[in-house]
Amino acid sequence: AQSVTQLGSHVSVSEGALVLLRCNYSSSVPPYLFWYVQYPNQGLQLLLKYTSAATLVKGINGFEAEFKKSETSFHLTKPSAHMSDAAEYFCAVSDREAGGGNKLTFGTGTQLKVEL
Amino acid sequence: KAGVTQTPRYLIKTRGQQVTLSCSPISGHRSVSWYQQTPGQGLQFLFEYFSETQRNKGNFPGRFSGRQFSNSRSEMNVSTLELGDSALYLCASSPGQVNTGELFFGEGSRLTVL
Repeated sequence: AQSVTQLGSHVSVSEGALVLLRCNYSSSVPPYLFWYVQYPNQGLQLLLKYTSAATLVKGINGFEAEFKKSETSFHLTKPSAHMSDAAEYFCAVSDREAGGGNKLTFGTGTQLKVEL
Repeated sequence: KAGVTQTPRYLIKTRGQQVTLSCSPISGHRSVSWYQQTPGQGLQFLFEYFSETQRNKGNFPGRFSGRQFSNSRSEMNVSTLELGDSALYLCASSPGQVNTGELFFGEGSRLTVL
């Protein structure tokens, strides 16, 4: 079964500092990978997705992620954190099944705190 | 374009009761998925419906069921509620048949079981 591991349940950065949230995947074949963000009392919102078109994926709000097959990683980064980035971030994986639906397996989440 | 709408947003039930949650997807979206979110287990896939047919199912007991109507609206039902069913239930819709994984989530229905 496919899975993702997020290292660090809580990450704290200063405003303007680099944001790095880590995600490693476990899959026998290159999967589809995603980062979602959840603000308090809201549902999840897609930040970006990797579907093999390019290893460096740019998303919304200045976030990007790089797919590294050799490291089985898909870490999320943002050059300069903003207070509004404080939220919980989830890495997710889905099977590359043709017509297989939208079953996502999520990581345990990383709570990002941004300090002044 | 209206987003995914879930009702009710909050509800309280007692053990042994049953509950029905509703989800209206984004207009034109034909796939609806349900997820359970708890502090202990995180986000877990319940099931997905496409064109009124269950396409995928997670590892939940038979007390959890769902259905989808011809207008793509979906409901999920939990019977014989247990304390552990307390959770945020998230519905997500997706445009089409292909597995894109790009889901549009509602704000959830927060269920408390006493």
